[in-house]
Amino acid sequence: KAGVTQTPRYLIKTRGQQVTLSCSPISGHRSVSWYQQTPGQGLQFLFEYFSETQRNKGNFPGRFSGRQFSNSRSEMNVSTLELGDSALYLCASSPQGETQYFGPGTRLLVL
Amino acid sequence: QKEVEQDPGPLSVPEGAIVSLNCTYSNSAFQYFMWYRQYSRKGPELLMYTYSSGNKEDGRFTAQVDKSSKYISLFIRDSQPSDSATYLCAMRTGANSKLTFGKGITLSVRP
Repeated sequence: KAGVTQTPRYLIKTRGQQVTLSCSPISGHRSVSWYQQTPGQGLQFLFEYFSETQRNKGNFPGRFSGRQFSNSRSEMNVSTLELGDSALYLCASSPQGETQYFGPGTRLLVL
Repeated sequence: QKEVEQDPGPLSVPEGAIVSLNCTYSNSAFQYFMWYRQYSRKGPELLMYTYSSGNKEDGRFTAQVDKSSKYISLFIRDSQPSDSATYLCAMRTGANSKLTFGKGITLSVRP
């Protein structure tokens, strides 16, 4: 089976812009979770979608949003980018939500 | 106090050494415990997944959970240069609840 894929792999944006990141889960997996990884804060949970519904949510501002489509693919959007949003954004998929398989991440740099 | 604390490292050991990686946690509701390994420029991959207190062994890796002390460990026997990576502990309260990660420790195994 193909693994979790994330696009794009690298992205450079400027403050105030918005960005959309995409995640394609492993075939058959219905749960998709998003994480932000930074050297200072480590890996922090953003949100999880299961069968197109947000099931869990982390402690991030409303500028961070996501959605899941009927084919389980998921997108994450960040509006009004700030310098502190520079990070590696990781997507993980699982059949039901238990064992999570991570993608390679999208590295976002905000200038 | 953060929910999950992990020794910050970095840690450097000679090839063949026994490595001990540790995490403590404050939330007694955590029931599921995981260790992930993350190579540079890759997403985390699951190494060990445990539920109960005690030891779980898989090859050169042993995961130990002590719920009464809120303490988990990962032991690596006969460490190899290929074990050089960042190791993250993670835990969750329920089978489908969000994952909370430690900040990770970078291990370097010297040939």
